[in-house]
Parts: sequence; structure tokens; C-alpha cells
Amino acid sequence: GAGVSQSPRYKVAKRGQDVALRCDPISGHVSLFWYQQALGQGPEFLTYFQNEAQLDKSGLPSDRFFAERPEGSVSTLKIQRTQQEDSAVYLCASSTRGTYNEQFFGPGTRLTVL
Amino acid sequence: GDSVTQMEGPVTLSEEAFLTINCTYTATGYPSLFWYVQYPGEGLQLLLKATKADDKGSNKGFEATYRKETTSFHLEKGSVQVSDSAVYFCALSDGSGTYKYIFGTGTRLKVLA
Repeated sequence: GAGVSQSPRYKVAKRGQDVALRCDPISGHVSLFWYQQALGQGPEFLTYFQNEAQLDKSGLPSDRFFAERPEGSVSTLKIQRTQQEDSAVYLCASSTRGTYNEQFFGPGTRLTVL
Repeated sequence: GDSVTQMEGPVTLSEEAFLTINCTYTATGYPSLFWYVQYPGEGLQLLLKATKADDKGSNKGFEATYRKETTSFHLEKGSVQVSDSAVYFCALSDGSGTYKYIFGTGTRLKVLA
């Protein structure tokens, strides 16, 4: 079956531009996570959805970052007024509900801000 | 807060050598522990997991045991292959209800023929 998909795979933005990153989770997965992975580092948590409800956004680094999942399926991570420090790989993961259940990761979107 | 510490890489081994990648954690609750692997050009894939103390996760010849007394989850393989060359991430899933992962920084493994 289909895994988690993300688009675009690569995005180059000029500093100050807004970007939108899309995640299509595995069908039926209740939980959806966004992570940010800087070069040479492990992924860091950004935000978590259970269905359409955003239950944890404690990892969002600033109010320029915004995420939504309006129908409990596809999610979009939006970054406004991009800065160079936003350059990273943005990973989306989905899972069935529960701490024992593995998260399935998408391939990521590599964002480069010039 | 919760955290994961992994040994720094890169780790370079000859084929058929024994592998250990150390991972220790700090957690206030009772986390589940995971090893993920990232092969060149690919996304993160679950390698193995353990959900409670003394559990042993295993897959593809890799093993790791959840040691609560030493707060460790070291990854081992008895005989590595060139195809095992990848970046390995240790992670915990917090018990707070969010189930978000906290990752280590990753350890790059290179296996030489």
C-alpha cells in the first residue's frame, strides 16, 4: 500500500517568501506529526495532530510556522517570511493512535532558503 | 525534559565485524524505545522497537535490549554487511500522551568490503 507522501520534495525559497509543504499520511492513520531535521542532526518535533485537532504545537520555533489538517487527513505546514535558519528537511510521519505504534515517515521536503 | 544521547560517528567497520552503537536516554515516564535507519537517499525506516523494560527488539540481525537500570538501548549486530551502511537514529516515544518522538543526533555507519 501507499506510504506517507510529501510534496514538494525540494523547495528553494528566497528569504522573506512564504512556503507551504504538504503531507499525505497513510489512509486511516489518526496521528500525524511534523519534524524538522537540520543537516547532520536528528529530527526535532514540531507539531502533532490527532485527526483534525492540533493537540501539541510546542515545537514550532516561531509564530511564522503554522500547520493545519482541516479534514483529518492531508496536512500542510506553512512557513511565513522564511529565514535562512529555516533551511532544513521537514519530515511528516503518521501512525495509528498509541505510544506503542511506530510512526511511518515520508521522504521529507528539503527546504533551502537563500 | 526527555532526551536521547547517541555515540557520535562516523563508525567505520570492515565487513563481518561486530557492531555496537550506544544509546542512552533520560525520561520522566515510561517511554517506548526505537531504532530507525536512514539509508542513503531514502526516508527513515523503523529497524526495531521495545516497549517496556527488558524487552529485546530484533530485526535483520540487529538487536537492542531496553535496560531501565542503565537507561540504555544499545544497538548491536554480530556481523555487519556493506549494505548496512546508513545513519542510525535512536528515539524514544514520550509517555505524555502526545507520543511524539525524541531523537538522538544519529550515528553514521560505513562498512567496508
